[in-house]
Amino acid sequence: DTAVSQTPKYLVTQMGNDKSIKCEQNLGHDTMYWYKQDSKKFLKIMFSYNNKELIINETVPNRFSPKSPDKAHLNLHINSLELGDSAVYFCASSQLLSGGIRDTQYFGPGTRLTVL
Amino acid sequence: AQKVTQAQTEISVVEKEDVTLDCVYETRDTTYYLFWYKQPPSGELVFLIRRNSFDEQNEISGRYSWNFQKSTSSFNFTITASQVVDSAVYFCALSEVYSGAGSYQLTFGKGTKLSVIP
Repeated sequence: DTAVSQTPKYLVTQMGNDKSIKCEQNLGHDTMYWYKQDSKKFLKIMFSYNNKELIINETVPNRFSPKSPDKAHLNLHINSLELGDSAVYFCASSQLLSGGIRDTQYFGPGTRLTVL
Repeated sequence: AQKVTQAQTEISVVEKEDVTLDCVYETRDTTYYLFWYKQPPSGELVFLIRRNSFDEQNEISGRYSWNFQKSTSSFNFTITASQVVDSAVYFCALSEVYSGAGSYQLTFGKGTKLSVIP
């Protein structure tokens, strides 16, 4: 039933480690996104992929690398984790409708990353 | 550039009171979408409503209602007879309508934390 799922829900790791967060959507959407929510709850776009092609890459350190093996999956790999990477990461997806109109973005449950 | 301002950082109301959450936006686009999302204490982001900029009709869904006024660039959200389960952070967001494969993204406000006290 889950539309947009993320694993893991919680991730606790040491500084300097490399970690991945996985996202899958079963809505048949053609575009997927990663957002970061900081400690003050502010949500900001990080990446957007359309049909496995990178569309948006907002000023995110290149330690963050999104990977989209297919339309239904968008994973986020983070190298050399830093304290400031601690945040909640949300995956989302949406569909391009006829006439070039974008449909609503639906979000996954979030992954809380804590870097010690 | 797009911008969304939610001036109320935190609001507390007593159960059964009505409460209005303010949202003011800036955009150069002539057509755009406005959204409200709810983030309960459990952390997920729940979609509440989407409004297209050319549809200024107010909308009511149960205890929730939305007032869209293009003249003041505002899209306010009112909860009538608030309940404890309404306690959450509420986000207003803005996006373009047409994107093709372009840079479609949501621009969020900073959120308003609503606490409903029993």
